[in-house]
Amino acid sequence: EDQVTQSPEALRLQEGESSSLNCSYTVSGLRGLFWYRQDPGKGPEFLFTLYSAGEEKEKERLKATLTKKESFLHITAPKPEDSATYLCAVQASSGGYQKVTFGTGTKLQVIP
Amino acid sequence: SAVISQKPSRDICQRGTSLTIQCQVDSQVTMMFWYRQQPGQSLTLIATANQGSEATYESGFVIDKFPISRPNLTFSTLTVSNMSPEDSSIYLCSVPTSRQVTETQYFGPGTRLLVL
Repeated sequence: EDQVTQSPEALRLQEGESSSLNCSYTVSGLRGLFWYRQDPGKGPEFLFTLYSAGEEKEKERLKATLTKKESFLHITAPKPEDSATYLCAVQASSGGYQKVTFGTGTKLQVIP
Repeated sequence: SAVISQKPSRDICQRGTSLTIQCQVDSQVTMMFWYRQQPGQSLTLIATANQGSEATYESGFVIDKFPISRPNLTFSTLTVSNMSPEDSSIYLCSVPTSRQVTETQYFGPGTRLLVL
C-alpha cells in the first residue's frame, strides 16, 4: 500500500528563518510526486511536480527536491504570506488519478 | 487554469438528513473528482464522476451513501446521505490540469460540513 508521511506536522518560523519540510514515501513505482499549498478555507493549490530522483524545482522562495525515498520542500527566507499547510502527494505508476496518495500536511506559520 | 466553484461553502446539518454539494467548472472536462478531507487526515478520493456514465467509487465509499450526478461536462453534484457526525469534513471537487495521467489537479474551494 502506498504511503506518504510528512514531518513535522507543524512548523513555526520567524520571518527570514529558512527551513525544510519533509515528505517520506513508499510507492509501488513512482510516476510523480506533487507538492500543494493549502490556505485556510481554500482548496489545495498546485506548486510542483517531481518525476525522478535528483530532480529539483524552484518557485520564488520554495525549492523542492526528490530522492528515491523522500522529498524536501526548502523554504528560503520565508515571509508571513508563506504561512499555509503544505501537502505532499505521490502517484503510483500503476494507475491514474485514482492512485494519488496524499500526506496529512505540514502546517507552516511564519511570524513577522 | 480552471476556475472551480462549490456550493454551499459551508453548512451545519442535523444527523439523518442529506446535503447536496454542487461543483461548477468554467471549462469542459471529462473527469471530475470528489475528495473528503477530514480533520487531521489526508485527502481521500471518494469517487470519479464521468459524464454520461456511472461514477466510479473508491474502496470504502458506496453510491447509496454518496450518490453523484454528472449531467454535463462542467457540473457535478455529490450528495452526503443520512448524515452522521462522522461525515463532518471538508468535501472538495477537483479536475485534471490536462489529459496526461501524470498531471496534477485543480481543486475547488471546498464545502465545510458539520453534522450535529
